[in-house]
Amino acid sequence: GDSVTQMEGPVTLSEEAFLTINCTYTATGYPSLFWYVQYPGEGLQLLLKATKADDKGSNKGFEATYRKETTSFHLEKGSVQVSDSAVYFCALSDRGAQKLVFGQGTRLTINP
Amino acid sequence: EAGVTQFPSHSVIEKGQTVTLRCDPISGHDNLYWYRRVMGKEIKFLLHFVKESKQDESGMPNNRFLAERTGGTYSTLKVQPAELEDSGVYFCASSQGAGGLDLETQYFGPGTRLLVL
Repeated sequence: GDSVTQMEGPVTLSEEAFLTINCTYTATGYPSLFWYVQYPGEGLQLLLKATKADDKGSNKGFEATYRKETTSFHLEKGSVQVSDSAVYFCALSDRGAQKLVFGQGTRLTINP
Repeated sequence: EAGVTQFPSHSVIEKGQTVTLRCDPISGHDNLYWYRRVMGKEIKFLLHFVKESKQDESGMPNNRFLAERTGGTYSTLKVQPAELEDSGVYFCASSQGAGGLDLETQYFGPGTRLLVL
């Protein structure tokens, strides 16, 4: 079945550091890919998404590119802030309104 | 536009008791999903409603879990009787129906944190 693998956390960085959270997937079809974020005390929020190969999703300074050849969707940000501290989830879904398959989540802590 | 809401936010019950979780999706969203995250593990799919019909219930762990969506609006998820391993955070999400411009984006509620003692 479909699956998503994320780099294990927790990840701790200093403010203004460069961030990469790795995500790879296994899918039988051509899934859509997502990054969701959960800030402390809140629910999941969609951060960005990409629906086909070579698409780049971006939001709030975060970016991720759908790489079909490496089955990856790594999350990057050039300069993180303390407010980026959260748990980040990579996920995929088959075409249409189908269930999401999540990775295990990566807890990110940014120190001032 | 109001987001997805869930009630209660927290629930602490004893093993063997019954708990009912409620989810109110975004108004007009035909698709409603239930997910669960157990103790720091990945978030796992439980089931998917399209309006009042169960489209996919392949993730329901066993027959102690019963989900309903009467009238195609809010949904309830009942656990009866609850076991220790049912503890976790239960998330509800909704998305637009067929013909929507953003069919694939699921909007999540804040979750219900369930602790079974």
